[in-house]
Formats: sequence, C-alpha cells, structure tokens
Amino acid sequence: EAQVTQNPRYLITVTGKKLTVTCSQNMNHEYMSWYRQDPGLGLRQIYYSMNVEVTDKGDVPEGYKVSRKEKRNFPLILESPSPNQTSLYFCASSPTMSYNEQFFGPGTRLTVL
Amino acid sequence: DQQVKQNSPSLSVQEGRISILNCDYTNSMFDYFLWYKKYPAEGPTFLISISSIKDKNEDGRFTVFLNKSAKHLSLHIVPSQPGDSAVYFCAASASYGYALNFGKGTSLLVTP
Repeated sequence: EAQVTQNPRYLITVTGKKLTVTCSQNMNHEYMSWYRQDPGLGLRQIYYSMNVEVTDKGDVPEGYKVSRKEKRNFPLILESPSPNQTSLYFCASSPTMSYNEQFFGPGTRLTVL
Repeated sequence: DQQVKQNSPSLSVQEGRISILNCDYTNSMFDYFLWYKKYPAEGPTFLISISSIKDKNEDGRFTVFLNKSAKHLSLHIVPSQPGDSAVYFCAASASYGYALNFGKGTSLLVTP
C-alpha cells in the first residue's frame, strides 16, 4: 500500500530533551515536506526537501532540523524542544516538487511540557 | 500574513443539501488551487484542484469554482453526505515548484 508513515504518532516530552520524528514514504517520491498544524493557523510548512541531500527552509523553520540521506526518509529533529513547539506535525510527499498534490502522513501529536 | 483565507471556521448542512465552502486569496501570483479534506486523527487527503486557466473543475459530487478577478474560490459538494463531515483546507501555489499556502480550514458538519 502506497503510504507516508510517521513515528511516533503521539509524544509527550519535556523542554530541552532532543527528539526525532521519523517520516518514511514507499512511493519513490522525490519531494518531501514537514508541516505543523496549530489551532487558528492552519498548516504551515517547516522544511522541505526536493531530493536526497537537498533541503530548504519553509515558513517556520526555527527550532527544527531535517536531513535527507535516503530518498524514502525525512526525519524531523527538535534539538531542544520548547513548549511553543507543541503542535500536530504532518509529513508529506509528492513525486516531484512541481507536482502540487501532496500525500500526507497520519500526523504526530507532540506535547512539550 | 495569511495569503489564503477561509473566513468560515465551521459550516453545518443537512444531508442531501449543497455545501459551499469559500476561500479567498491575496497573492495574485497564485495560479494553482487545491482542496484537501481532513478527518480527525488522519492526515489531509487531496480532494480536487483547479488551475488558473480554468474557472470550474468537477469530480463527481465535488466542484471547485475559481473567480480570478475576485481572488475567490469555492468548493461545492452536492449532495452532501454525513461522510463528508470533515475539515476542509484550501491551498494555493504560485506555479509549479512553489510551496503550498494553506488556509486555516473550515469544519463541515453534515447532519442526517
């Protein structure tokens, strides 16, 4: 089944404790992206990757890091999480950056205490 | 600054009637528009899209209308079904290769 998977689905952590949210897609897509969804703000892009080893900042990159060492994986790293990073996070992928319809993962709900 | 606006946070419609969800945008460079549907505890799923060279696109019960001069698009669902109850996000892109800009979403409730 073609899909985007994220782990963990739910995470409660404390301020300053480094964490990684994994994202994997099995569709051989070149383009991958991370979004966060907050009440009243919709979906905002954090980082995106056009292909392996090519990443760039989205609208709200502060406090996040990403890497794209393999085509299928695009982990989101929070080196020192803070309470304002409590949010619902979505990973998405599409065949290329020029293909606008993106396929989204199920989401990761992160709470930073 | 929100470039894609969905000014109605929620909408309630009776089953069988038409649902109309609205979206406005401010960036005149946007030329590709999409609607995504999101159920609780799931990621958004692509529903329908429209390019700026068209003013209407249909897919079954779903139709999207684009009014470029007014910078406005709408999603019509006819007839509405209870399974359509979800949050609908409008998104826009300034040509291929640019990031999607999402609205805040409209929560649609279709009552039996």
